[in-house]
Amino acid sequence: ETGVTQSPTHLIKTRGQQVTLRCSSQSGHNTVSWYQQALGQGPQFIFQYYREEENGRGNFPPRFSGLQFPNYSSELNVNALELDDSALYLCASSLVAGANNEQFFGPGTRLTVL
Amino acid sequence: AQSVTQPDIHITVSEGASLELRCNYSYGATPYLFWYVQSPGQGLQLLLKYFSGDTLVQGIKGFEAEFKRSQSSFNLRKPSVHWSDAAEYFCAVGAGEYGNKLVFGAGTILRVKS
Repeated sequence: ETGVTQSPTHLIKTRGQQVTLRCSSQSGHNTVSWYQQALGQGPQFIFQYYREEENGRGNFPPRFSGLQFPNYSSELNVNALELDDSALYLCASSLVAGANNEQFFGPGTRLTVL
Repeated sequence: AQSVTQPDIHITVSEGASLELRCNYSYGATPYLFWYVQSPGQGLQLLLKYFSGDTLVQGIKGFEAEFKRSQSSFNLRKPSVHWSDAAEYFCAVGAGEYGNKLVFGAGTILRVKS
């Protein structure tokens, strides 16, 4: 069974650029959540996708957007990058959209904005 | 709004000594509570979770946690720490309609000295 994978591992962008991060969920999982973890902080919830529909969003501006595909993989897109967007971006997948299901996290994508 | 406080940023314990990591939460109803561990360069791994029932929860790697509603706490314990337990530990509460959007604390870095 393949776990949650994320690509790329590391990424360097400059302010104002756009970036796309990718996540492949664990086999059979239909829910994907994205989190931002700034240095020295805990992860913060960005949004969640359940069966290709957005299923909740945290306190992030609209320039953070996402997609979920029919195979339940997902993308996180960030437009107009700012220096404060530098962080580890974590993807987590679970079987159904509910708390009583473990979320499995990927290793993350480290984004640096210069 | 839901929140999680981990009062200790760093904790150092000797190998073989007992460990307790503190976690306090703010949540209106019965919370879904989690402890995750993060090693350098790794994603988050679930140690244990509390949804209902027995307030003493057993997890992986010999960890346990106790839910105390009166104190709004969910402290993580281990009777004997191993050098491989050195990592960062995050407490989280499940927020949102289904409790599946995790709100994390800032984390506690555990150092183990031999």
